[in-house]
Amino acid sequence: SQELEQSPQSLIVQEGKNLTINCTSSKTLYGLYWYKQKYGEGLIFLMMLQKGGEEKSHEKITAKLDEKKQQSSLHITASQPSHAGIYLCGAPSGNTGKLIFGQGTTLQVKP
Amino acid sequence: SQTIHQWPATLVQPVGSPLSLECTVEGTSNPNLYWYRQAAGRGLQLLFYSVGIGQISSEVPQNLSASRPQDRQFILSSKKLLLSDSGFYLCAWSGRVGINSPLHFGNGTRLTVT
Repeated sequence: SQELEQSPQSLIVQEGKNLTINCTSSKTLYGLYWYKQKYGEGLIFLMMLQKGGEEKSHEKITAKLDEKKQQSSLHITASQPSHAGIYLCGAPSGNTGKLIFGQGTTLQVKP
Repeated sequence: SQTIHQWPATLVQPVGSPLSLECTVEGTSNPNLYWYRQAAGRGLQLLFYSVGIGQISSEVPQNLSASRPQDRQFILSSKKLLLSDSGFYLCAWSGRVGINSPLHFGNGTRLTVT
């Protein structure tokens, strides 16, 4: 079965610094979703990647899917306290729309 | 626009008591529906999913069951709760099958079994 591994598990950065979160799959990815979760709340969809080499940006967050479609990275430029939370990557499993998720990366941004 | 409602937000139940969590979706028809559980320090585990009324697929054997009595209603139940059922339960929907249809999540229910 497919597994997603995220690194690092947790991250503390100073406000204004850049950071990168990685998501590595044990099998070829046929889609990769990034979500953000604040503690005790639901997941908020950030962006979706489908094609090898694809890159998407939303405000100061950029996500990429590598050419081999086995790894994705999420990059935050000039981090702000509002970026704090748990970031999860998810990938389709089977053909019923369900997603499997990585363990999540907890981000703290110090003002 | 589509919205998903999940309730209650928090719940404290004794061991052996029954459970019923409800999730409803508005603004779309025939959604795929999902129940996930997020245990402390662990990722999301898919419990059940449904592609239509009365159609339930279980991902892992457990003490829980799910039902879909109406197109946009998804219910998670248990006859007798165990301590291990504690966790954060999330309902989600997707518009259609396919890799270009993200899941949209409710705000979750924090269940504590005492």
